[in-house]
Amino acid sequence: DVVLTQTPVSLSVTLGDQASISCRSSQSLEYSDGYTYLEWYLQKPGQSPQLLIYEVSNRFSGVPDRFIGSGSGTDFTLKISRVEPEDLGVYYCFQATHDPLTFGSGTKLEIK
Amino acid sequence: QIQLVQSGPELKKPGESLKISCKASGYTFTDYAMQWVKQAPGKGLQYMGWINTQTGKPTYADDFKERFVFSLETSASTAYLQINNLKNEDTATYFCARAPGGYWGQGVMVTVSS
Repeated sequence: DVVLTQTPVSLSVTLGDQASISCRSSQSLEYSDGYTYLEWYLQKPGQSPQLLIYEVSNRFSGVPDRFIGSGSGTDFTLKISRVEPEDLGVYYCFQATHDPLTFGSGTKLEIK
Repeated sequence: QIQLVQSGPELKKPGESLKISCKASGYTFTDYAMQWVKQAPGKGLQYMGWINTQTGKPTYADDFKERFVFSLETSASTAYLQINNLKNEDTATYFCARAPGGYWGQGVMVTVSS
């Protein structure tokens, strides 16, 4: 199974600063069709996960441009510029390239 | 608008069974697969598998190949998760999610306790 390793486990950020989360895969996530099915989700306290980014760098409908996904192969990053209070929660990367699909273990973002 | 509405919380005893529903609206149900995700209390997200809404064929992750059944009622745009022979470790919140597309149900909290 593909293992997604997220770092850091937790992150404390001052409002207005940038946050960066890494997701490393145990295998390349580029599928045979040329697409890379790596997604990022945010789960706010008491809520369902919400999709932020799909196919590495595409923002889902309504997601602010403060959220930027990048990477390729096995190394991926989510950057959140100008962190706002509503950004707190747990961020998960997710791969849909290899069966079984898998989630990373999560990164908890706290506001200082 | 697109919505996935799941059934209500469940309290069950070990050995019992349950069936959770996930009713979709706002899109053509058979155009997208449906995924299921487990979240144990205080833990991360665990992918359970998915069901092809056109053929009804389910695919289960390894940890969910026994006791777990995905099914559909296409005429009602509804997907189901059935868990048989419940165990304490099945205590969790279970989410349905459209795949792909980023739409999730609100989750169903299942508590298994004697």
